[in-house]
Amino acid sequence: DTAVSQTPKYLVTQMGNDKSIKCEQNLGHDTMYWYKQDSKKFLKIMFSYNNKELIINETVPNRFSPKSPDKAHLNLHINSLELGDSAVYFCASSLGRAGRQETQYFGPGTRLLVL
Amino acid sequence: DAKTTQPNSMESNEEEPVHLPCNHSTISGTDYIHWYRQLPSQGPEYVIHGLTSNVNNRMASLAIAEDRKSSTLILHRATLRDAAVYYCTNNNAGNMLTFGGGTRLMVKP
Repeated sequence: DTAVSQTPKYLVTQMGNDKSIKCEQNLGHDTMYWYKQDSKKFLKIMFSYNNKELIINETVPNRFSPKSPDKAHLNLHINSLELGDSAVYFCASSLGRAGRQETQYFGPGTRLLVL
Repeated sequence: DAKTTQPNSMESNEEEPVHLPCNHSTISGTDYIHWYRQLPSQGPEYVIHGLTSNVNNRMASLAIAEDRKSSTLILHRATLRDAAVYYCTNNNAGNMLTFGGGTRLMVKP
């Protein structure tokens, strides 16, 4: 039983294209996140949603648009892909919203390569 | 930008204890210290977290310095499956995690 799943696992595309990454969690959590991990393995928060409501947007270009159709899903749409968007994107979820003790559960990642 | 510093890599022999250090000198008084690990080609996995007191769970122990400016993750008996990159981070009020480069732990049989 996969807790946090992402599709696709790999995504290779041309510069300028538009692509989407899907995320689903079956943990019953209220909060979901998107993270970007660069080539140096640094992980940074991009967005956070709580019960379908955006609560964190960390100065991400507006080419990136998250969408949460329900609290179990958080999809990431990227317009006009650029070379610098190449990275591994992780979806995560946590039970609550802003507790400092919250444990986050991560998906397996989507490896995006923009050519 | 990571607020924690860790050694780039460490080595251990199988079945021996491992102590992974982390400096978080700018941590605020209410931030928790979290440790995650990332196995090759997988997403980060929660290991342990704490605030002031030392913590134990089935995976590891966490020793937190009295001034909270550093902590040490302790794996009591390293196995080959513990080979991973270990990240420490302080979890702020927005529950945003930021990972620095982490420590790559290599376990020798």
